Formats: sequence, C-alpha cells, structure tokens
Amino acid sequence: KAGVTQTPRYLIKTRGQQVTLSCSPISGHRSVSWYQQTPGQGLQFLFEYFSETQRNKGNFPGRFSGRQFSNSRSEMNVSTLELGDSALYLCASSLSSGQGVWNTEAFFGQGTRLTVV
Amino acid sequence: TQLLEQSPQFLSIQEGENLTVYCNSSSVFSSLQWYRQEPGEGPVLLVTVVTGGEVKKLKRLTFQFGDARKDSSLHITAAQPGDTGLYLCAGEFYSGGSNYKLTFGKGTLLTVNP
Repeated sequence: KAGVTQTPRYLIKTRGQQVTLSCSPISGHRSVSWYQQTPGQGLQFLFEYFSETQRNKGNFPGRFSGRQFSNSRSEMNVSTLELGDSALYLCASSLSSGQGVWNTEAFFGQGTRLTVV
Repeated sequence: TQLLEQSPQFLSIQEGENLTVYCNSSSVFSSLQWYRQEPGEGPVLLVTVVTGGEVKKLKRLTFQFGDARKDSSLHITAAQPGDTGLYLCAGEFYSGGSNYKLTFGKGTLLTVNP
C-alpha cells in the first residue's frame, strides 16, 4: 500500500512570499495532521483535518492555514513567510475512525524542507 | 496541556553498549507510541503500548509502559550503528467527544559509533 506522499521535498522561498505544501495520505486514512519540526522546538503540532474539517489546532499564528479535500488529500499554506518559518514540515495520516487505540497511530511522509531566505 | 518529557536529550555510545531512554509525563495516556526518525526522513512508528505495565519487545528493543500509564521507557540491547536516529515518544489522550489527540516529546537523539 502506498505511503504518505508529500510534495515538494525541498523549497526555498523569500521572506514575505507565501507557500503551499501538499500531502496525500494513505488510502483509507481520513485524518491528516501537519507538524513543524525544528532542532530547537522539536515536533510541533500545527493542525489536524478529518473529513474536510479542521478538528484540532495547535498554537501557530493565522499565517498558517490548511484544508482537506474530499479525497482526504491536504494542503498547508503559509503566508507572509518569515525567516523563522524555515523548518521541516511533516504530514501524517491516521485511520482515526473513532474511539480507541490504533486510531491515532501516525504514518508520516518524508516531509518538505522549507528554507526562507 | 499534556506534556511529555524525554531524557536524555542526546546520547552518544559505542556499538555493543546498552542504553535506556525515558518518556515521562504527569498526565495519563490511553496509549503510548514510540517512533524513530532518521535524518531526512519522517518518523516511523516502532510500537504502541496500551496497558499499564505492558512490555513489548522488537528484536533488541524493549518498550515498557508504566503501571500508571504516565511514563514509558525504551531499552536497546547491544546497540548497533543502524540504531542511530531520533527516538520520539507520543502519548494518545482523550480530548472529548470521539476525539483523541497525540502529543509528542522532543525526542532523544541517539548516535551509535562503530
């Protein structure tokens, strides 16, 4: 079964620009979560989408937004890029079909390495 | 806020040595997951522990969930260079309705030198 696919793998943007990252989850997984990973802060949760609705949100400014399509594919957008947005952005999909364990087990993509200059 | 503290933050050992990394919290979790992340890749799920006191083994890796489901440990026997990576623990907790959330620790960066 195909894994989680993130595109692009690498991206260089200029401060002030905007960027859109894409994530295709594992077939049948309805939940897609986005994380920002930096050496200093570790893995920080951005938001989670389930059935096209944002279900959970982390503590990031409104410049960070996302959406999920009917086929569960998700996009993340960052507007007005800042130097501090340079990071590895990871997408993870999970079954999350309801209560109980094995629903939050996350399957990660390889990530998008974003560099803001 | 459910926080997970991992220790040590960094660990550098020689091939063949044993090691233990810890994941602690003041919160109770419904399950605890361990991931390993290699450079340039996303984290990969190693194991999920569910029951307090549960022990799971994956070849040379032994995972234990604390009796109170607030902490966990990962023990590696006879470490090999291939074990090098960032080890992350993640706790699953109930957040209302039919919603479960996952919170990650900051990880332990393990380097096994040949």
